[in-house]
Amino acid sequence: DPKIIQKPKYLVAVTGSEKILICEQYLGHNAMYWYRQSAKKPLEFMFSYSYQKLMDNQTASSRFQPQSSKKNHLDLQITALKPDDSATYFCASSQPGQGQDTQYFGPGTRLLVL
Amino acid sequence: GDSVTQTEGLVTVTEGLPVKLNCTYQTTYLTIAFFWYVQYLNEAPQVLLKSSTDNKRTEHQGFHATLHKSSSSFHLQKSSAQLSDSALYYCALSEVSNNRIFFGDGTQLVVKP
Repeated sequence: DPKIIQKPKYLVAVTGSEKILICEQYLGHNAMYWYRQSAKKPLEFMFSYSYQKLMDNQTASSRFQPQSSKKNHLDLQITALKPDDSATYFCASSQPGQGQDTQYFGPGTRLLVL
Repeated sequence: GDSVTQTEGLVTVTEGLPVKLNCTYQTTYLTIAFFWYVQYLNEAPQVLLKSSTDNKRTEHQGFHATLHKSSSSFHLQKSSAQLSDSALYYCALSEVSNNRIFFGDGTQLVVKP
């Protein structure tokens, strides 16, 4: 069974619309992250959450808003979508406080903004 | 600031020959861990190796890397490349207490017959 679920796998949106990317992890981890991967920037850190609290935000635009309704959920809401937002968005999780905290990645959501 | 540098964007090697992917870093953190992640086509990145011990060789799936703090390096090597090793490889470092990971830009490894 997959340990990190991301939904949907593929997403096509029109410019100006709003979408929510879903991430659920069943690894029992307390830290979750969002990354973006595009042709311009291979793997770009966006957000980190620990115990459902925002720890780090490296996304300049407020159009990207993470939402954590449960400890094992970290969704990503994107508003006013632009073609430049087209990328694969990866969710990851880890268990902080155990030394070499390996981050485990979900399968990703491929977003195409037309 | 902290950064990870992978000098080669693309490395091409013939099957059976050795391969080395370079990784150097800059950091102000004292307690750090290092990773190599591998990403196969249309898949998510997955951890290949990790280390936080200076001058200790770490091995997994035929790959090895040794953290050298004196030269700020964590190069990835394999003695005999296989076709299935073709993938995108990321070097990364994290500060242990805050778990923020800094990824390099990645090196695309192509192993040809």
